[in-house]
Amino acid sequence: KNEVEQSPQNLTAQEGEFITINCSYSVGISALHWLQQHPGGGIVSLFMLSSGKKKHGRLIATINIQEKHSSLHITASHPRDSAVYICAVKRYPTFVFGPGTRLSVLP
Amino acid sequence: DVKVTQSSRYLVKRTGEKVFLECVQDMDHENMFWYRQDPGLGLRLIYFSYDVKMKEKGDIPEGYSVSREKKERFSLILESASTNQTSMYLCASTQSYGESSYNEQFFGPGTRLTVL
Repeated sequence: KNEVEQSPQNLTAQEGEFITINCSYSVGISALHWLQQHPGGGIVSLFMLSSGKKKHGRLIATINIQEKHSSLHITASHPRDSAVYICAVKRYPTFVFGPGTRLSVLP
Repeated sequence: DVKVTQSSRYLVKRTGEKVFLECVQDMDHENMFWYRQDPGLGLRLIYFSYDVKMKEKGDIPEGYSVSREKKERFSLILESASTNQTSMYLCASTQSYGESSYNEQFFGPGTRLTVL
């Protein structure tokens, strides 16, 4: 069993839909990192959180430490949101990465 | 604007060649990491460094070595490239090292290496 799992593996949505990507982990962590990877490879940081909820524009990330679960929500999705979303848990001294969720948002 | 740069976006090498991948960060970060990314396997840590001349093995160090002579530069070396090292290689850095540090990772654009 992988230490970090994501669901779904692939997701296709229509523009404007509300999207949820889930991340579950089996190890104790101090923080969780959501990342976005566009075609071509570059990875950008979206959120780093250790409790509660964070919001940035149309993106919302939540974490429940007791349940070892985090969700990334995208409101009013747009084709430019199409990317691979990766969850990474900070486990000293480095990170353990989930397999990623490939999101395609159709116009 | 913070930046992590990698020496090449695409690289093609032959089996047995020595390959150098360079990574430079301009954020004065202490920690630097080398990952490889393969379809279905996600990002896997090869090596990391928490200070100049310091290095630690990650999950898949076999066939690789690293060098960190200056704080801003972290090099990945494939001593004798093999076809199973064809992959996307990503460098990253974070500000500080420690159990309670809360620093996000900044990634370079990646180097897609093909070994023929």
